[in-house]
Amino acid sequence: GAVVSQHPSWVICKSGTSVKIECRSLDFQATTMFWYRQFPKQSLMLMATSNEGSKATYEQGVEKDKFLINHASLTLSTLTVTSAHPEDSSFYICSARATNRSPDSGNTIYFGEGSWLTVV
Amino acid sequence: AQTVTQSQPEMSVQEAETVTLSCTYDTSENNYYLFWYKQPPSRQMILVIRQEAYKQQNATENRFSVNFQKAAKSFSLKISDSQLGDTAMYFCAFSEGTYKYIFGTGTRLKVLA
Repeated sequence: GAVVSQHPSWVICKSGTSVKIECRSLDFQATTMFWYRQFPKQSLMLMATSNEGSKATYEQGVEKDKFLINHASLTLSTLTVTSAHPEDSSFYICSARATNRSPDSGNTIYFGEGSWLTVV
Repeated sequence: AQTVTQSQPEMSVQEAETVTLSCTYDTSENNYYLFWYKQPPSRQMILVIRQEAYKQQNATENRFSVNFQKAAKSFSLKISDSQLGDTAMYFCAFSEGTYKYIFGTGTRLKVLA
């Protein structure tokens, strides 16, 4: 249980275009999802917290107009990288907090498989 | 602000031996959660073990156990009977209860045959 799926796993886009990455909770509801970015051989950096039905909360230094987050349903959050540039190339990982699992899983979040973005 | 420090960028261990990965953190909170995650080459984040700060007993999960020293703000991971499949990047993570995780820089563990 507690499966989080990301799509696509790999995406290559041209510089200046926009690309959307989806994060779905498959067997639970997730009112809160998180988006992380991971550069090669580095740690995961939290980009933003996505809340269903409301605006995302971005971490300091993250451009909200460049990384658009939409959490329109209890099972889906999307990250859109707008006007992508080569420096946006990275591994993006989402995670979700289960809000309808019992008992509460002790502050545990569930990670997607990640999405590789390459901007050429 | 909370911080998580992993001082060992890389470690290696012989198969079947025991290895301990270090993690320290800094927080002014009294209630929080600590985690160890494994990230194999597939990049999928896998929860290894979790510790609630209010619990004095160290968490264990089969071959994995932690040494949680709250006063010292230390949270080390011990892997017993290391297996080749344990080769991965290991991240220590902290969460104060908001479900936002702060990750350490990671330790790359290689299990040698």
